[in-house]
This record gives sequence, C-alpha cells and structure tokens, in this order.
Amino acid sequence: DIQMTQSPSSLSASVGDSVTITCQASQDIKNHLNWYQQKPGKVPKLLICDASRLQEGVPPRFSGSGSGTEFSFTISSLQPEDIATYYCQQYDGLPPVFTFGPGTKVDIK
Amino acid sequence: QEQLVQSGAEVKKPGSSVRVSCKTSRNTFSSFGITWVRQAPGQGLEWMGGIIPVLGSINYAQKFQDRVTITGDDSTNTAYMQLTSLSSDDTAVYYCARISASVPSFDYWGQGTLVTVSS
Repeated sequence: DIQMTQSPSSLSASVGDSVTITCQASQDIKNHLNWYQQKPGKVPKLLICDASRLQEGVPPRFSGSGSGTEFSFTISSLQPEDIATYYCQQYDGLPPVFTFGPGTKVDIK
Repeated sequence: QEQLVQSGAEVKKPGSSVRVSCKTSRNTFSSFGITWVRQAPGQGLEWMGGIIPVLGSINYAQKFQDRVTITGDDSTNTAYMQLTSLSSDDTAVYYCARISASVPSFDYWGQGTLVTVSS
C-alpha cells in the first residue's frame, strides 16, 4: 500500500502570509495527487486535482505542484476564511485505490 | 449542483452492523462512482471503498476488506455502505462522495452520517 505523509502537522501564520504544506508519497505516484480543505465542522472540499489543477471556483491564491513522491500546496496570501485542515490524497490503479495524508491544520496567528 | 443525501445518525451496540445510504441523482449513479470515507472524532479522513457502476467495479481499502460491503441500487440511484462487527473504534462520521469521471477525486460530498457505537 502507498503511504502518505504531510508536514507540518499544524501551522500558525498571519493574514497575508504565504504558507506551504508538503506531502510525500512512499512510492512514485506520478501526478496522482489531490488536495482537500476541511473547515471546522464542515464537509471536505476538493481544491486541487492531479497535483496542480485548480477546481472551478477555487481562489487562485491556492496552488499545488510536484510529481513523483514530493508535492507541495501553497496559499499565497493567507485569509481568515482559510482556517481549515488540508489533506493530500493519492490515487492508484483502476479501479482506483485512494489514500489520504494525515492532514495539516492551518490557523491564524 | 450535485446533491448526495445520506441517511440519519445511528447508535449501535458493539458487535452489530450498520448500513448507511447515500441517495444521488440518476446521472451521478450511472455515470460516476460513489465512494465512502470516514472520520473518527478529532481524526483525519480515511477512505473505505467505492463503487463505480459504469466500470462494474467495487473495491475496498485493505483495512476494511473483511467488514465492509458497498452496494448500489440503480433503480433508486442509491449507494449503501454496510459495516459489520462494530466496535467503539468505528464511532465516526461516515461520508459518501462522488468520484469524478475526469480525474479520480471526490468532487461532491454527502452531509455525513454520525455512527456511534456504544454499549
């Protein structure tokens, strides 16, 4: 099974700061990596698929990059409404098997 | 805007089973897939398995292979997830979500169903 790790597990930053989360896969997953946002008490929301494709309606301050085993997710200018836990997710095979990373909690200082 | 509507909260005894339903639109059920994800209190997201009717496939995460059954009823556009041999560790919110047809990802989610396992 492919294992996913994320770092940091939590971070605190000021409004307007750029924040970056990294996600590492235990083996090469090409660009088969998605990112989700889960606000407190809410349902998860898909932000980015295939490592860097922003979903329709998602603000451009969110971006993703990477391939192989190393990926990153960046919020270019942190906003109060971005307080959430962010999860990476890999997919592999057909039918696809999915694995989530453990999540990164983002707070405002 | 796609809607996935799940059944209500459940309270179950240890050792029993639970079945959660997820009603979708006709288009979702026939053209996409439905997956199940759970989240224990204060914990992360955990993929359980999924059904993709257009591929005729059902697959499960290894962890749940022996205890979970995912089915679909195309006459009512409803997917079901049954989990057996419940323990307190299964107390969680269970989500269904649509598997996007373009890139394997979960683009629409149900509202979640809280399953509490308690004696």
